[in-house]
Amino acid sequence: EDQVTQSPEALRLQEGESSSLNCSYTVSGLRGLFWYRQDPGKGPEFLFTLYSAGEEKEKERLKATLTKKESFLHITAPKPEDSATYLCAVQAGGAQKLVFGQGTRLTINP
Amino acid sequence: SAVISQKPSRDICQRGTSLTIQCQVDSQVTMMFWYRQQPGQSLTLIATANQGSEATYESGFVIDKFPISRPNLTFSTLTVSNMSPEDSSIYLCSVESGGSGTDTQYFGPGTRLTVL
Repeated sequence: EDQVTQSPEALRLQEGESSSLNCSYTVSGLRGLFWYRQDPGKGPEFLFTLYSAGEEKEKERLKATLTKKESFLHITAPKPEDSATYLCAVQAGGAQKLVFGQGTRLTINP
Repeated sequence: SAVISQKPSRDICQRGTSLTIQCQVDSQVTMMFWYRQQPGQSLTLIATANQGSEATYESGFVIDKFPISRPNLTFSTLTVSNMSPEDSSIYLCSVESGGSGTDTQYFGPGTRLTVL
């Protein structure tokens, strides 16, 4: 069974303090790994898709990387508006569905 | 990316009643998905809805409890039937769109359901 584990569950940083979120996965035949951002009371907002080990994607202060077992979401010099829950999901085998991790709740203090 | 709207945005319902949630997309899409997000939890797929065919349900979800309609390529409904407090969740629809160069799923804003 496909599994996705995110760590830490919650992370509190000071503004400007860089860090990384982890997403470990166990799947049969990874087709894609997705990162989403979810603000309270809203639906997930798409950030990145990664397909193969070694791939990297960047958007503003965020950079996502992928290995054969895990993905990292690096946040550089975060701002309070980066506070949100970050979700990792995988798509594997012949299935279209996304299997989500539990998320990391990120808080950036000013 | 597709623009997705859901109605209602939230509702409070009594035990034993049913609620139908609507999902509208601004473009034609083949596949639509319905997810549930229970309080403090992540998203779990309920079913996949393709236009012109019966919805495909994930393990643990059944058609009698969560009937789905998909009358055209831009619209779908999910009904939560005979509700109990355990059905209190956020219900989200998503669509698969290749707008970003991939088959990425984009999500609607969700419907927050509270069952008393």
